[in-house]
Amino acid sequence: NAGVTQTPKFRVLKTGQSMTLLCAQDMNHEYMYWYRQDPGMGLRLIHYSVGEGTTAKGEVPDGYNVSRLKKQNFLLGLESAAPSQTSVYFCASASGQLNTEAFFGQGTRLTVV
Amino acid sequence: AQSVAQPEDQVNVAEGNPLTVKCTYSVSGNPYLFWYVQYPNRGLQFLLKYITGDNLVKGSYGFEAEFNKSQTSFHLKKPSALVSDSALYFCAVRDKDTGRRALTFGSGTRLQVQP
Repeated sequence: NAGVTQTPKFRVLKTGQSMTLLCAQDMNHEYMYWYRQDPGMGLRLIHYSVGEGTTAKGEVPDGYNVSRLKKQNFLLGLESAAPSQTSVYFCASASGQLNTEAFFGQGTRLTVV
Repeated sequence: AQSVAQPEDQVNVAEGNPLTVKCTYSVSGNPYLFWYVQYPNRGLQFLLKYITGDNLVKGSYGFEAEFNKSQTSFHLKKPSALVSDSALYFCAVRDKDTGRRALTFGSGTRLQVQP
């Protein structure tokens, strides 16, 4: 059981370049999330999805776009990377039941130079 | 808006001693509270949760947490720390008032267990 898988694990981008982070889950979860983790700030919600074909903004959405064309996949895009987007990105999935935990991927460490 | 606070950036404890990692929350109504652990270069792993019922919740790896409604706290505890418990710990509350149902995290507490 793979759970939540993120690709790639590491990436270095130059300012202005674009990239897509892929998240895949095999638990048939409706809810999927993208977070970024920065030192001393915990994890902050970038975008989320409550089902296939739906996406919505979280607390820090600027500079990012997302798509959920298939239930099991949630893509995070950076159209024009900036140094401020240097961070560790985590994808998570969860069922809609409030009393259940979310499951996290291993993270993507992104450096923008 | 709901929030959680972890007042300590770092907690140091000697191996074999009890440990406590503090968390306080601000939520309207009854909270859904979680603890996660992050080992170096790894994702977040679920430790335990409080939904309802007993105020003392038991979780993975010998950890437990005490829910205190009057103090709005959900402190993580372990009777005897191990060096392998050294990691980054996050308290989180699940958003139950909006459709997104996301986790809101504290800033994290780094636990260092000395041999």
